[in-house]
Amino acid sequence: DADVTQTPRNRITKTGKRIMLECSQTKGHDRMYWYRQDPGLGLRLIYYSFDVKDINKGEISDGYSVSRQAQAKFSLSLESAIPNQTALYFCATSDFYRGTETQYFGPGTRLLVL
Amino acid sequence: GQQVMQIPQYQHVQEGEDFTTYCNSSTTLSNIQWYKQRPGGHPVFLIQLVKSGEVKKQKRLTFQFGEAKKNSSLHITATQTTDVGTYFCAGNLTPYGNKLVFGAGTILRVKS
Repeated sequence: DADVTQTPRNRITKTGKRIMLECSQTKGHDRMYWYRQDPGLGLRLIYYSFDVKDINKGEISDGYSVSRQAQAKFSLSLESAIPNQTALYFCATSDFYRGTETQYFGPGTRLLVL
Repeated sequence: GQQVMQIPQYQHVQEGEDFTTYCNSSTTLSNIQWYKQRPGGHPVFLIQLVKSGEVKKQKRLTFQFGEAKKNSSLHITATQTTDVGTYFCAGNLTPYGNKLVFGAGTILRVKS
């Protein structure tokens, strides 16, 4: 969805390096999410934020941190990258209304940690 | 642990055959959603079901939400090569305030 952008789209880094993945959205949504996708494991939630002052850990938050700089921006950091963090990372946004939400995903960032 | 289970994990069918993926939750869902991810792409929303026993159709795709609102299915009639991809179900586990929980997805491959 062009309303949700992620940078970079591809990244190769070395073990121990700190890297940041960025996500921006123009949909005006309050909720933003970071997922990790590995083959056969589906989408695993790393962190999520329901508004600018709200940050919550997902099921696999160890080794990651996030920052919600504004309603439109949600960044994911790997403080000290390790090879098993090699994966496809997706950012998503949603607008929660009357008990339901639809998530809109960015194009993904493919990360390789050597 | 995973609260929304999806089976099968993988299915390879001959073009023209039917395909079904199933989604089951340990708790009642306020709604069920289905997403499709094409190879190399990102998940894209297909449909949402809210009512108990609801059935919706999109061309060759039929979506069902169980009477107890704990299970759902996606059925594709006469698969085509354009149907390849991963199909995810997702649901809100409580009526309000909870986040969407995804199933692990079913990978569909279609032989022509």
